[in-house]
Amino acid sequence: NAGVTQTPKFQVLKTGQSMTLQCAQDMNHEYMSWYRQDPGMGLRLIHYSVGAGITDQGEVPNGYNVSRSTTEDFPLRLLSAAPSQTSVYFCASRPTGGGYGYTFGSGTRLTVV
Amino acid sequence: GNSVTQMEGPVTLSEEAFLTINCTYTATGYPSLFWYVQYPGEGLQLLLKATKADDKGSNKGFEATYRKETTSFHLEKGSVQVSDSAVYFCALSAAGGTSYGKLTFGQGTILTVHP
Repeated sequence: NAGVTQTPKFQVLKTGQSMTLQCAQDMNHEYMSWYRQDPGMGLRLIHYSVGAGITDQGEVPNGYNVSRSTTEDFPLRLLSAAPSQTSVYFCASRPTGGGYGYTFGSGTRLTVV
Repeated sequence: GNSVTQMEGPVTLSEEAFLTINCTYTATGYPSLFWYVQYPGEGLQLLLKATKADDKGSNKGFEATYRKETTSFHLEKGSVQVSDSAVYFCALSAAGGTSYGKLTFGQGTILTVHP
C-alpha cells in the first residue's frame, strides 16, 4: 500500500516556467488537498477536492491550477512560476466522513530562481 | 474564520523531561482536532486526534484532551525521548459549512530533545 505518492521530490524552475506537481493515492480517498509549507507559517491550503470532478480554492490559490479527473490523481499546476512560489508542497488525502485525519505525501521541494 | 494558535518555539528539553505544547483554536461549532508530527525531511504524520468535547486522543505516549470550554487541545508527554525531536503541528477540521473537511494548521512548534 503506497499511500500518497508525490513526484518529483525536488525541482528547480526558472521564473516564468510552468510545471505540474503530481499526486496519486491508492486508498480510494474522496478528499484530496494541496498545501504549501513555508518557514514560520505552518501549512496553508492551496486547493481542495471532495471527489472526482469537484475542486475548490483554499487560502492561497493564486498562481496554481488543479483538476481531478479521477479519484486517484490530483495534479497541481504552476502556470508561470515566481520566486514567491519557492516552498515545500504537500499533497494529502482522507476518506469521506467526519473526524478522519489526512494522510500526507512526502512532499516536493520547489525552488524558483 | 477558523484559526489555530500554537505556543512559539523552539522547545528544547532533556531526555525524560515532561512536555507540553499549547494549542488553542477559534472555530464555529464542534471541529475535529488533530496533532501532526513532522520528522526532518519527511511529510506530516497523524499523531493523535479528538472529534468531540472531552475526548482524549493518545498515541506513542502523547496525549491531548479536547477542551471546549477553553478552546484548547494541548499536547503532553510525560517523558520525552531523543527520537521525539520533530516539528509538531496542531490542526482543526471544521464541522460544517464551506470549510468542512479542510485542515487549518497552527504555525508548528520545533521540539529538540537532548540526551
